[in-house]
Amino acid sequence: DAKTTQPPSMDCAEGRAANLPCNHSTISGNEYVYWYRQIHSQGPQYIIHGLKNNETNEMASLIITEDRKSSTLILPHATLRDTAVYYCIVRDPAMDSSYKLIFGSGTRLLVRP
Amino acid sequence: DAGVTQSPTHLIKTRGQHVTLRCSPISGHKSVSWYQQVLGQGPQFIFQYYEKEERGRGNFPDRFSARQFPNYSSELNVNALLLGDSALYLCASSLQGFSNQPQHFGDGTRLSIL
Repeated sequence: DAKTTQPPSMDCAEGRAANLPCNHSTISGNEYVYWYRQIHSQGPQYIIHGLKNNETNEMASLIITEDRKSSTLILPHATLRDTAVYYCIVRDPAMDSSYKLIFGSGTRLLVRP
Repeated sequence: DAGVTQSPTHLIKTRGQHVTLRCSPISGHKSVSWYQQVLGQGPQFIFQYYEKEERGRGNFPDRFSARQFPNYSSELNVNALLLGDSALYLCASSLQGFSNQPQHFGDGTRLSIL
């Protein structure tokens, strides 16, 4: 079962920042937070992951709270092409069961013109 | 660099038939995973193979099987197809087994059962 909770849908205006929250209150010390997105008719696309520190790459920023019970994915300047379903996943790479990603329902982000 | 490639992109079969789906991982990746995504839901894990050995299996019937070849490509086989097997089948590859490195997905094979 998914160990994360995300709002089912969000929207934002094109050019503005999109902030997508994820709750993972039962996260363990060795579990990483991964974000993927899935644009219609495509496979999930890896965005970013982190353990405890904030992370940034060319696609997005990941902000993890100090207690690690929640995180926020930030798309700094959303475009229409960012309209997708965004999945937040927690995973401990050292666990025997780490081979599988457990996807929840995700957040459907709509970027408005 | 080429990403994960899957073939075919679309496939139509009838109930009771057999299907083979193929996946080529990103160059250098030794682990391949298969997922099933039914319309409106998130992907569900089916199998993972690492170094040609099955490392994990999801809650799918024995009609589903897979294998990984010496070049790390993989096949997913489904026998005795049912209407409920209609879905997008996704392949993902990653560098190795126990690692925090992410899995990277292909765009899938859309299987329709008539």
